[in-house]
Amino acid sequence: DADVTQTPRNRITKTGKRIMLECSQTKGHDRMYWYRQDPGLGLRLIYYSFDVKDINKGEISDGYSVSRQAQAKFSLSLESAIPNQTALYFCATGGLVGEQFFGPGTRLTVL
Amino acid sequence: QKEVEQDPGPLSVPEGAIVSLNCTYSNSAFQYFMWYRQYSRKGPELLMYTYSSGNKEDGRFTAQVDKSSKYISLFIRDSQPSDSATYLCAMSTTPTVYGSGNTGKLIFGQGTTLQVKP
Repeated sequence: DADVTQTPRNRITKTGKRIMLECSQTKGHDRMYWYRQDPGLGLRLIYYSFDVKDINKGEISDGYSVSRQAQAKFSLSLESAIPNQTALYFCATGGLVGEQFFGPGTRLTVL
Repeated sequence: QKEVEQDPGPLSVPEGAIVSLNCTYSNSAFQYFMWYRQYSRKGPELLMYTYSSGNKEDGRFTAQVDKSSKYISLFIRDSQPSDSATYLCAMSTTPTVYGSGNTGKLIFGQGTTLQVKP
């Protein structure tokens, strides 16, 4: 079984809809991250969390929110989706020396 | 200027060639350097991890860090079609220590797309 799983894997939605992307991990890591990936822009950090009581904004947090329900679960929400949020979204966990382990990604399309 | 610069390519080589992938960076505080491989429609997977300067070898892959030049490289020997992927460099200043103010955030390069032709 994969160490980091994401659901859904693909999602098409309409402008203005609320969307939640979910991430679960079995690596036992405290640190979890949400990124988006766009062609030509690489990976950009949206939010990160050190534990269930700690949430931090990344470089592009506007329009997004997160919830850390448990050590193993970290969800990303788009409160009111807009077309420029169409991207590939990755969840990752953080190891002891800063290395990160990524999930398979969610491809989100906002029409 | 981006903190980490990486030529996006694409880079096309024949099977068996030696491949050199590179990143330059501007923040001298970076100490931890990583290379990730990302296949199409997949998440990045950690390929190599290096602390500070020096070389690290793992099979056909060698990671090299030159902190004096702020330059890191990944070499792939005897390249195979299965090596065709996007390679991302990543780096951080320190490991995350909770409450210390260190975030352990990784800064990624844009990624270089590699194609190895049979």
